[in-house]
Amino acid sequence: AQTVTQSQPEMSVQEAETVTLSCTYDTSENNYYLFWYKQPPSRQMILVIRQEAYKQQNATENRFSVNFQKAAKSFSLKISDSQLGDTAMYFCAFMTPQGGSEKLVFGKGTKLTVNP
Amino acid sequence: AAGVIQSPRHLIKEKRETATLKCYPIPRHDTVYWYQQGPGQDPQFLISFYEKMQSDKGSIPDRFSAQQFSDYHSELNMSSLELGDSALYFCASSLAGTDDGYTFGSGTRLTVV
Repeated sequence: AQTVTQSQPEMSVQEAETVTLSCTYDTSENNYYLFWYKQPPSRQMILVIRQEAYKQQNATENRFSVNFQKAAKSFSLKISDSQLGDTAMYFCAFMTPQGGSEKLVFGKGTKLTVNP
Repeated sequence: AAGVIQSPRHLIKEKRETATLKCYPIPRHDTVYWYQQGPGQDPQFLISFYEKMQSDKGSIPDRFSAQQFSDYHSELNMSSLELGDSALYFCASSLAGTDDGYTFGSGTRLTVV
């Protein structure tokens, strides 16, 4: 069974600074996807960024980027120029594509607070 | 763009009552997933449907059942409700065989009193 571990229950960062959230996972699969989801106080689940395991290039979405280390099974999220609106719970998630049965396995989450 | 619609947004039930949660996927999406997120917890996969057939099952209690209808909307039926069923229930949809990924609904917050 796949497992996802987020070792930082809480983190804080000053506005405009950079913060990195850690995530490790365990799987015997070779083809999979990794995701970071943001859950603000509204509780909506918002996709931040995704990474296909077969792609060596790290995914980037504006201020968000990942450091994907497949051999180490590590998938960290870097948030640059942090903004107050980035305050949220961040979940790392894993998925094995199985066409019609692609459930997500989530980590326990990291609560990020951006301070003014 | 159309999103995943869940209803109701909030629901309060008493113990031992029954609740029905509805999910309307994005048009053309053929797969629906249900997740349960308890207070301070990560979302846990309950069940999924692909083309109106159950495709996978997670930690869903026997008191819960679900189905996907001909118009692809899905309903999660919960009977003999317990206090521990209080949670946020998410529905998500996707189009199988594509790289489009998931889209989550806004969730239904169920409170059992």
